[in-house]
Amino acid sequence: GENVEQHPSTLSVQEGDSAVIKCTYSDSASNYFPWYKQELGKGPQLIIDIRSNVGEKKDQRIAVTLNKTAKHFSLHITETQPEDSAVYFCAASTTSYDKVIFGPGTSLSVIP
Amino acid sequence: DADVTQTPRNRITKTGKRIMLECSQTKGHDRMYWYRQDPGLGLQLIYYSFDVKDINKGEISDGYSVSRQAQAKFSLSLESAIPNQTALYFCATGAGSYNEQFFGPGTRLTVL
Repeated sequence: GENVEQHPSTLSVQEGDSAVIKCTYSDSASNYFPWYKQELGKGPQLIIDIRSNVGEKKDQRIAVTLNKTAKHFSLHITETQPEDSAVYFCAASTTSYDKVIFGPGTSLSVIP
Repeated sequence: DADVTQTPRNRITKTGKRIMLECSQTKGHDRMYWYRQDPGLGLQLIYYSFDVKDINKGEISDGYSVSRQAQAKFSLSLESAIPNQTALYFCATGAGSYNEQFFGPGTRLTVL
């Protein structure tokens, strides 16, 4: 089955700096890669996703990139703000999957 | 307005007790999921259901059971709780071709 790895497990950045979280997946059939943000005391929430026919996608200060050959995908947050502090999960799925496989999560702290 | 609700939000119980965690949703989604979150392990799938007659085991179903009472309700039971089931439990619904997950606020369970 699919396995998703995620690095780093914790990340601290100064406010205004960029943050990068990297993930790898094992199943070449995966074609959908969502990112979820979990704020303290809440359930995870989808913030951005990328599909396998796209190499990069941006939404304001966040961007995702996908390298299908290497089975890598990454989340980039620019101009970080304290409200970006949260746990971020990458995930992989396909339209034929019944389920979404999540990575172990990255705890991001943005220091004012 | 909470589209996915979970009760209770916090529960402390003793080893050997039977516990039920409840989940309700107003999103009208057919797919429902139960996840367990442990630090460093991400979100692990316990059970999932596509309708009231469809129940599927996830990665870590041992020690758990579920009941899909209606499209909107999906309950998770621990028949005889043990300390290593202490964790944060999330219910989610899934929608769309790529199965976007909509999470509830979570239930923190402590087994003494």
